[in-house]
Amino acid sequence: SQQGEEDPQALSIQEGENATMNCSYKTSINNLQWYRQNSGRGLVHLILIRSNEREKHSGRLRVTLDTSKKSSSLLITASRAADTASYFCGPFRGGADGLTFGKGTHLIIQP
Amino acid sequence: DAGVTQSPTHLIKTRGQQVTLRCSPKSGHDTVSWYQQALGQGPQFIFQYYEEEERQRGNFPDRFSGHQFPNYSSELNVNALLLGDSALYLCASSFMGTSGGIHGQYFGPGTRLTVT
Repeated sequence: SQQGEEDPQALSIQEGENATMNCSYKTSINNLQWYRQNSGRGLVHLILIRSNEREKHSGRLRVTLDTSKKSSSLLITASRAADTASYFCGPFRGGADGLTFGKGTHLIIQP
Repeated sequence: DAGVTQSPTHLIKTRGQQVTLRCSPKSGHDTVSWYQQALGQGPQFIFQYYEEEERQRGNFPDRFSGHQFPNYSSELNVNALLLGDSALYLCASSFMGTSGGIHGQYFGPGTRLTVT
């Protein structure tokens, strides 16, 4: 399986600012998925970007993928208090491959 | 459209006991994966079930076993519980079919297991 490593480990910004977090992985993938986790709860699927895509948008979320650098970024624009959560990336090779996550980026939005 | 459901929500067991956790996949999904998330860590892949067989396994001992039923629901069994098994156990479902599971994994709310 592919281990995604999220960076930074923690990020604190003011409400209304943009938040950017990064993900690196090790080998070739079919797609990469970003998830949000509020404290002690399940992972919410945010966005999936395929290996032949470079950028994808969903509401206030923008994800980029650079397969040559084996990296991805998640941008949250106009942050809100409700965006406070941990964010994980899951590189996926395909088939029966499991997702193996890093420790995530813990995002805190200050009012 | 029902999402992934898990039961129970919380569970407290004693060292040495056995536990069974349950998962129902999202409607239209045929594959279930199980993950363990310790406090402050990311989820770690335990195994995946498709067509009622274990297809892939992470670095977990044989004390962790599972089952998938004909309706695609799944169980995770852990024998001889250790204190270190205390964690949030997450189930994720996906559609394998002819697509190889490339449309994403969707997680349930998890079961919080505490071993005392």
